[in-house]
Amino acid sequence: GAVVSQHPSRVICKSGTSVKIECRSLDFQATTMFWYRQFPKQSLMLMATSNEGSKATYEQGVEKDKFLINHASLTLSTLTVTSAHPEDSSFYICSASGSGGAVGELFFGEGSRLTVL
Amino acid sequence: DAKTTQPPSMDCAEGRAANLPCNHSTISGNEYVYWYRQIHSQGPQYIIHGLKNNETNEMASLIITEDRKSSTLILPHATLRDTAVYYCIVRATDSWGKLQFGAGTQVVVTP
Repeated sequence: GAVVSQHPSRVICKSGTSVKIECRSLDFQATTMFWYRQFPKQSLMLMATSNEGSKATYEQGVEKDKFLINHASLTLSTLTVTSAHPEDSSFYICSASGSGGAVGELFFGEGSRLTVL
Repeated sequence: DAKTTQPPSMDCAEGRAANLPCNHSTISGNEYVYWYRQIHSQGPQYIIHGLKNNETNEMASLIITEDRKSSTLILPHATLRDTAVYYCIVRATDSWGKLQFGAGTQVVVTP
């Protein structure tokens, strides 16, 4: 079946640095990708919708200048956490839709755990 | 998208069927019921989805009531590897894949 891959799976960085997380669709073209954040013992919270070739749409309360999203190709979306701080430590998960949102299963990546020291 | 209500936790004995309920009383006619599960520190895994008919695949069965206001996910023979948080989500066909996750049900399968 379709696979979505995230890299890196774990990253530790110092406060103030920027971290890039990649989300790739391995065997299908993803016109739309979604980025979620999950804090410990909480559910997934949608951060933004990433559309290939256009600007991402951010959910209310998510800072677009802090969480930069680029969806330059049909198989790759990247999330960059700029000037990371300890409160940005979280589990970041992407999902991809290859059918433009039509009914069907959505595929999730394995997640990327960010720890900011 | 309509909201869903699930019990926060459920225990199940290994080898027995696990029946996970979900209420979605405000579901609209164009909204599907989806089930995902998340094993600790992994991304969510798709299980099954349906509109109004009952569905079955190799992982589970989905029973949707006639009025579509509730559904039940059935894991026919629970194993220890089925321990996870199970999310019931309703999704409109025009939602472009955007899912709103609730709190889900923490299922613990015990020997």
